[in-house]
Amino acid sequence: EPEVTQTPSHQVTQMGQEVILRCVPISNHLYFYWYRQILGQKVEFLVSFYNNEISEKSEIFDDQFSVERPDGSNFTLKIRSTKLEDSAMYFCASKKGIDSPLHFGNGTRLTVT
Amino acid sequence: GNSVTQMEGPVTLSEEAFLTINCTYTATGYPSLFWYVQYPGEGLQLLLKATKADDKGSNKGFEATYRKETTSFHLEKGSVQVSDSAVYFCALSGVASYDKVIFGPGTSLSVIP
Repeated sequence: EPEVTQTPSHQVTQMGQEVILRCVPISNHLYFYWYRQILGQKVEFLVSFYNNEISEKSEIFDDQFSVERPDGSNFTLKIRSTKLEDSAMYFCASKKGIDSPLHFGNGTRLTVT
Repeated sequence: GNSVTQMEGPVTLSEEAFLTINCTYTATGYPSLFWYVQYPGEGLQLLLKATKADDKGSNKGFEATYRKETTSFHLEKGSVQVSDSAVYFCALSGVASYDKVIFGPGTSLSVIP
């Protein structure tokens, strides 16, 4: 069964550094999302992406965050200048259509020191 | 705005006990409703879904019925197993095609032999 893949599984970075989290959604899916989950807490929506543009973003997704689908297969989340509070598990998700469920990757654990 | 509330955990049950995890929602229109499960160290997996009132979603012995009159989508299983130990998230998605999925806070379930 096709799946959403995320790399790396764990990323450690220093405060102020840029990080890029990578995702390969399922190939025939049209809608793409990033979520994050701070350890032991709820799953929070960051951004949705459709037709090569952001369709919605949350308050968390400020100017330090950006997303890109550079080549029709990858979907990346960039944090320009990481803060300690960005430490979390970041999940990429995709879906095929309107009533389709989201398919999640296994996440990237980001640790900012 | 749309939101999901679910019972606080953690929940600890003996093997073969009956499970209920309550979930209620607030939404405009007719959202789709989901239960997702997160096993330790993994991403979120769709457990079951229902897209309209009175629909019953079911999978792996779990069931939930979309009750519009009580705005509820309670998860049930007649006989839990140790392998069901995980965090369960109730979620909803709005009616627009790109609508994000909004998650409840999650309920941790531990099943002991």
